[in-house]
Amino acid sequence: SQQGEEDPQALSIQEGENATMNCSYKTSINNLQWYRQNSGRGLVHLILIRSNEREKHSGRLRVTLDTSKKSSSLLITASRAADTASYFCATDAIQGAQKLVFGQGTRLTINP
Amino acid sequence: EPEVTQTPSHQVTQMGQEVILRCVPISNHLYFYWYRQILGQKVEFLVSFYNNEISEKSEIFDDQFSVERPDGSNFTLKIRSTKLEDSAMYFCASRWTGPNSPLHFGNGTRLTVT
Repeated sequence: SQQGEEDPQALSIQEGENATMNCSYKTSINNLQWYRQNSGRGLVHLILIRSNEREKHSGRLRVTLDTSKKSSSLLITASRAADTASYFCATDAIQGAQKLVFGQGTRLTINP
Repeated sequence: EPEVTQTPSHQVTQMGQEVILRCVPISNHLYFYWYRQILGQKVEFLVSFYNNEISEKSEIFDDQFSVERPDGSNFTLKIRSTKLEDSAMYFCASRWTGPNSPLHFGNGTRLTVT
């Protein structure tokens, strides 16, 4: 399997705190992407980090990528109740495939 | 902003029946995908489609499944003889290029097989 586990599977924090989610993968990648899914809805792209990048920011989101450890983290700063959702990482493998492979996801709950 | 649209939003069918799930990808996108998600579980790749042919398919995508892009706008997933275990959310997605571009997802079709 191309994809590993996301950690934690569920995370519950208070509004205003920072939330960190981790993702591991197994193969060499072109890029790693993070998506958000509200309950019962489609996935929405958040951020893409290429294999030659180590860190990327977008608003309150910060993504890191460590290709030597085959891992990534997503940090959401100053969380809001509206950030409550499931967050998935997905990898674009180098070898041939045109698909994104998704992790198990982290269910994030922000308590007001 | 352009969207991927999927119909129907919910489909109930009896075991053994054929279903067709429909998608209209974003118009200038070149790569098309179907994924499924069993309730609360991971998002699983089914098939990718490029240049009017399947480019890759997973082990889930057996002979009961087929895809078509019949008219240059619609992208359909057909399940010939549904099983109980086919009950899931089915998501269509598209993207402009291959690697290094994001996927745009529809809101899914919830398929319930009884």
